[in-house]
Amino acid sequence: AQRVTQPEKLLSVFKGAPVELKCNYSYSGSPELFWYVQYSRQRLQLLLRHISRESIKGFTADLNKGETSFHLKKPFAQEEDSAMYYCALSAQINAGGTSYGKLTFGQGTILTVHP
Amino acid sequence: ETGVTQSPTHLIKTRGQQVTLRCSSQSGHNTVSWYQQALGQGPQFIFQYYREEENGRGNFPPRFSGLQFPNYSSELNVNALELDDSALYLCASSLPGLAEVSYNEQFFGPGTRLTVL
Repeated sequence: AQRVTQPEKLLSVFKGAPVELKCNYSYSGSPELFWYVQYSRQRLQLLLRHISRESIKGFTADLNKGETSFHLKKPFAQEEDSAMYYCALSAQINAGGTSYGKLTFGQGTILTVHP
Repeated sequence: ETGVTQSPTHLIKTRGQQVTLRCSSQSGHNTVSWYQQALGQGPQFIFQYYREEENGRGNFPPRFSGLQFPNYSSELNVNALELDDSALYLCASSLPGLAEVSYNEQFFGPGTRLTVL
């Protein structure tokens, strides 16, 4: 079974400060990890995935298999980063030649960036 | 390109009733997943449909069932509603995973807010 833990329900920082949203996971297989974001009055959308190794809106996340973590970081937070952030793990189940991606989400962290 | 749409936006039911929620997938997507998001929690996987069949299911009882139609749209049906079924129900569409592609991005709809009284 897979599990995703986001220990912080709320995180507040000031504009320009560094921000780190923590995510730990539990999964016996090879994990695929993602960060999803939900801005106010908008739908859930993918922010980044670990296999892409890219920076989106200044955010990066490194998969640390030893610590089973996938923390999201940004060196200088902006007010528009205020949102709900979800860490998610994909368990790829193979069945009959196809596979399905079951996403397991953490409880989410509400990030507030103050001016 | 049309995004994922869901209907209705919100509805109120009483305990014991049945409800049907609808989802239209994003253009070109033939796989639909349903999630339940209780207040203050992350989304929880209910099940996934591909080629009009359920091909994956989370830890939800059989009174949660679904359908997928030839146009890839989908329904989520919940029978014998309980108070704990009150939640935001999210639909997400994607392309099916291939052996050499480990994951295809899931695109989420705005959700249907269900309140059970």
